[in-house]
Amino acid sequence: ETGVTQTPRHLVMGMTNKKSLKCEQHLGHNAMYWYKQSAKKPLELMFVYNFKEQTENNSVPSRFSPECPNSSHLFLHLHTLQPEDSALYLCASSHQGAETQYFGPGTRLLVL
Amino acid sequence: GIQVEQSPPDLILQEGANSTLRCNFSDSVNNLQWFHQNPWGQLINLFYIPSGTKQNGRLSATTVATERYSLLYISSSQTTDSGVYFCAVENFGNEKLTFGTGTRLTIIP
Repeated sequence: ETGVTQTPRHLVMGMTNKKSLKCEQHLGHNAMYWYKQSAKKPLELMFVYNFKEQTENNSVPSRFSPECPNSSHLFLHLHTLQPEDSALYLCASSHQGAETQYFGPGTRLLVL
Repeated sequence: GIQVEQSPPDLILQEGANSTLRCNFSDSVNNLQWFHQNPWGQLINLFYIPSGTKQNGRLSATTVATERYSLLYISSSQTTDSGVYFCAVENFGNEKLTFGTGTRLTIIP
């Protein structure tokens, strides 16, 4: 499944670093999502973009800053993260209101 | 918000065995999906099944919406079926998927 790609696949960063996660979808979808998957917890929706407009911010701390320059690309900018932010970050896309979402392979983030 | 519970949390089976995974949800839904997450983290959509029964090869799923549960059946398990199976639901008026905690399936050769 290469419809949704994410880079990097693994990232280790210190608490003072700034980094960005990138997601790209090649499926012609108009909705994109960021999810966080922590150990022993369900996937948590972070952000939703429909037609490049943010339509959902699920009470995410401001140290996570999303950007959607067009309907094919989605970024998650990270700064001054905490060790508890270590998790698998998954991007997904769909047609708005569609039945199914398609997921990327994820970025495994470790904050030291 | 809507609650999603999956059972069992862990399941270890011999190759060739059959299994049934369950998803209970606390409210009416207009979207229910089953996903498989492989050991490398990739989530693959298996079924979109807010009601009724569907089959795809060795996998099938049934959702009884009036009783607020869904079942995923895996027959003749293979080692490649190992991973975590998630149920995710969306209820009316709330356009976001809520995931359960998953069932971790391990198939032993």
